[in-house]
Amino acid sequence: DAKTTQPPSMDCAEGRAANLPCNHSTISGNEYVYWYRQIHSQGPQYIIHGLKNNETNEMASLIITEDRKSSTLILPHATLRDTAVYYCIVRVDNYGQNFVFGPGTRLSVLP
Amino acid sequence: GAVVSQHPSRVICKSGTSVKIECRSLDFQATTMFWYRQFPKQSLMLMATSNEGSKATYEQGVEKDKFLINHASLTLSTLTVTSAHPEDSSFYICSAAGNTEAFFGQGTRLTVV
Repeated sequence: DAKTTQPPSMDCAEGRAANLPCNHSTISGNEYVYWYRQIHSQGPQYIIHGLKNNETNEMASLIITEDRKSSTLILPHATLRDTAVYYCIVRVDNYGQNFVFGPGTRLSVLP
Repeated sequence: GAVVSQHPSRVICKSGTSVKIECRSLDFQATTMFWYRQFPKQSLMLMATSNEGSKATYEQGVEKDKFLINHASLTLSTLTVTSAHPEDSSFYICSAAGNTEAFFGQGTRLTVV
């Protein structure tokens, strides 16, 4: 699986949009971009994933550049409960394949 | 989304004893489950892949005789930490493979004293 690079930490004001970047310059054509987050002392929670088109769900939006070498996860109105470590993972969409977690980005939402 | 339940959420045991952690997929059948370990301020590290009805596949450096994995049904995988020592104290997380994403349990914080 391709490697990803994320900033180690970010701050965001409550109520503002949080934009979390991820670089995956070696991504292959059949690899998806996944985002998970981990709130302290809990298991990771799925957020969103996509291949090349932008995606949106009730939690977040995923913007993938046209060359697919980077992406941005957007939390439109961050709340204090969004404080967590956010993991960007690229992975072939095969059932039974595990997820490889990097260090992620520690997002702190500030009041 | 699908639900994966992990039990117990927290356990303290004495050095030399064994501890069993259960991971259940509540609303779907999981042919494949994964076990991760997470030390403080570190990311999740895959320990082993558990396939229903067959032997688990362990990552390099993970002792299969120490971390016993059983996946006897499509909804249950167990991890037994045998002869636990203080260095085994960690946060253990299971995951069940879905069609596209993986679903994670709440984690088990093991403290060996």
